[in-house]
Amino acid sequence: AQKVTQVQTEISVVEKEDVTLDCVYETRDTTYYLFWYKQPPSGELVFLIRRNSFDEQNEISGRYSWNFQKSTSSFNFTITASQVVDSAVYFCALSEAPYGGGSNYKLTFGKGTLLTVNP
Amino acid sequence: IAGITQAPTSQILAAGRRMTLRCTQDMRHNAMYWYRQDLGLGLRLIHYSNTAGTTGKGEVPDGYSVSRANTDDFPLTLASAVPSQTSVYFCAAGAGANVLTFGAGSRLTVL
Repeated sequence: AQKVTQVQTEISVVEKEDVTLDCVYETRDTTYYLFWYKQPPSGELVFLIRRNSFDEQNEISGRYSWNFQKSTSSFNFTITASQVVDSAVYFCALSEAPYGGGSNYKLTFGKGTLLTVNP
Repeated sequence: IAGITQAPTSQILAAGRRMTLRCTQDMRHNAMYWYRQDLGLGLRLIHYSNTAGTTGKGEVPDGYSVSRANTDDFPLTLASAVPSQTSVYFCAAGAGANVLTFGAGSRLTVL
């Protein structure tokens, strides 16, 4: 069965600091997808990134970057020069390809990391 | 705007009452899902549906039922609500390996 562990439950930083949220996953599949979602205080779930298991290239999007390492089953998320607006709960999630085809890509979520960025 | 509509946004319910949370999508995605979110536990899958007419159990299905009469609607029913079902419920839809789109959530309090 698939499992996602978010190492930090809560992180508190001061604005402009860099911060890394760690995610470790378990799966028996060779084909899978990894995600990060952001949940700001307003409560909606905001998609940030999806990576498939065959693409280990790191990705950068503005102040956000992701480090995917299959050797350690990790998919870590770094925010550079954090801002108060980055304060949110961040979820890492894993989806395995459905057996026998079909469209059921069920997401398994980690328990979330609450990031607080203080001014 | 394409997406998922959930209703009600918030509800307080007496224990033992029946409650249906509604979910409607306008994206025509085959797969739909219900998750519950609880503090410290993240989001957990309750039920899912691969396509209209089929449903399946997720991680925490007890006390809940779903139906999928058509592509667009995926209601979640609590036949006899209990306080442990106090939670925020999210409906989601997706197509293939595409990113899931989530509704805004329904906050349910069972007293």
